[in-house]
Amino acid sequence: DIQLTQSPSSLSASVGDRVTITCRASQSIGTSLNWYQQKAEKAPKLLIYSASSLQDGVPSRFSGSGSGTEFTLTINSVQPEDFATYYCQQSSSVPPFTFGPGTKVDVK
Amino acid sequence: QVQVVDSGGGLVKPGGSLRLSCEVSGLFFSHHNITWVRQAPGKGLEWVAYISFTGSTTYYAESVQGRFTVSRGNAKNSMNLQMNTLRVEDTAVYYCATATGDGPLRYFEFWGQGTPVTVSS
Repeated sequence: DIQLTQSPSSLSASVGDRVTITCRASQSIGTSLNWYQQKAEKAPKLLIYSASSLQDGVPSRFSGSGSGTEFTLTINSVQPEDFATYYCQQSSSVPPFTFGPGTKVDVK
Repeated sequence: QVQVVDSGGGLVKPGGSLRLSCEVSGLFFSHHNITWVRQAPGKGLEWVAYISFTGSTTYYAESVQGRFTVSRGNAKNSMNLQMNTLRVEDTAVYYCATATGDGPLRYFEFWGQGTPVTVSS
């Protein structure tokens, strides 16, 4: 099975900061990597699919990049509504559709 | 507007059974793959099961293989997750989601609000 790790596991940021989250796969997964945002007590929300494609309706301050085994999610100019937990997920080799352990972004 | 509604959660004793349902409106349901993802209290997301839009392909997480069964429901826009031989560690909020795409480029696009399952004696 493909394993995903995320770093950092948590971070504190101020409104307006640029935030970068890294997801690493245990083996190459091409661009089969998706990112989700989850706020407390809410369902996850798809942000980025296929490593770099922005889901409809998601603000352009969110971007994704990477291929192979290393991927990044960047939030340019973090807004108050962006404080949440972010998960990466792979669909290259399934089952299982592995999720990363999550990165919590909170207010500094 | 796409709406996903998952339901059927509740309290059940270890060894018991429960059936979760997922209804999708606002898109051509029969052309969409469906997946279930769960989240134990205070934990991250764990993928559970997947069914293709034809119903011909199903996948399960190793932790539920042989105990959970996913199937298309009687209604055209519904699907079910039958959970048998439930364990305390199955306690979680269960989310239904549409799985868009095919092959290695699949992603979970539209999500239900989640239905809580508690397994306790």
